[in-house]
Amino acid sequence: DGGITQSPKYLFRKEGQNVTLSCEQNLNHDAMYWYRQDPGQGLRLIYYSQIVNDFQKGDIAEGYSVSREKKESFPLTVTSAQKNPTAFYLCASSIWGQETQYFGPGTRLLVL
Amino acid sequence: AQSVTQLDSQVPVFEEAPVELRCNYSSSVSVYLFWYVQYPNQGLQLLLKYLSGSTLVESINGFEAEFNKSQTSFHLRKPSVHISDTAEYFCAVSDPGGYQKVTFGTGTKLQVIP
Repeated sequence: DGGITQSPKYLFRKEGQNVTLSCEQNLNHDAMYWYRQDPGQGLRLIYYSQIVNDFQKGDIAEGYSVSREKKESFPLTVTSAQKNPTAFYLCASSIWGQETQYFGPGTRLLVL
Repeated sequence: AQSVTQLDSQVPVFEEAPVELRCNYSSSVSVYLFWYVQYPNQGLQLLLKYLSGSTLVESINGFEAEFNKSQTSFHLRKPSVHISDTAEYFCAVSDPGGYQKVTFGTGTKLQVIP
């Protein structure tokens, strides 16, 4: 089955800790995206990547970092600089230049 | 800059009743419009989209939306809802060409009451 997988489903972070969220797709899509979802705020773009080894900041990139070493993988690191990381994180992918994005099942990050 | 407004954060409706979820957008250019659905603790799934052509678009599960350029609206309707339609619905807009940044609304929770 083609699709997007995200792991883990739930992630707990301690104060001052960096954590990494995984996103993998086997749709052969060029573009990948990370969104943060908070109740009542919809989805906000954190980072996006058009192609391997290239990525751009979205609207709320502070406190986050990404890498794109492989076409199918786009991990997101939530650093200790992100002071309010509790949220639902969604990864998406698309064919670059096409309008439809396909979403993974999400990772819920909680702070201990 | 694009923006999307979903005025209703929650819409309760009885099973088999009709429903309309409202969406208004602002954009200085031509637009693509989308409705996504999110079931609890899951990702978003595309429900339907308007790119061009007929202003009325339909989904496979009975939803429809009409692009109204003069009113800058893209309201989602269903004539008879089912319990399984209980979910959160997001309206989204992007502009054609180049990097099509997608701007999402804040979502409307549809609660179908038995």
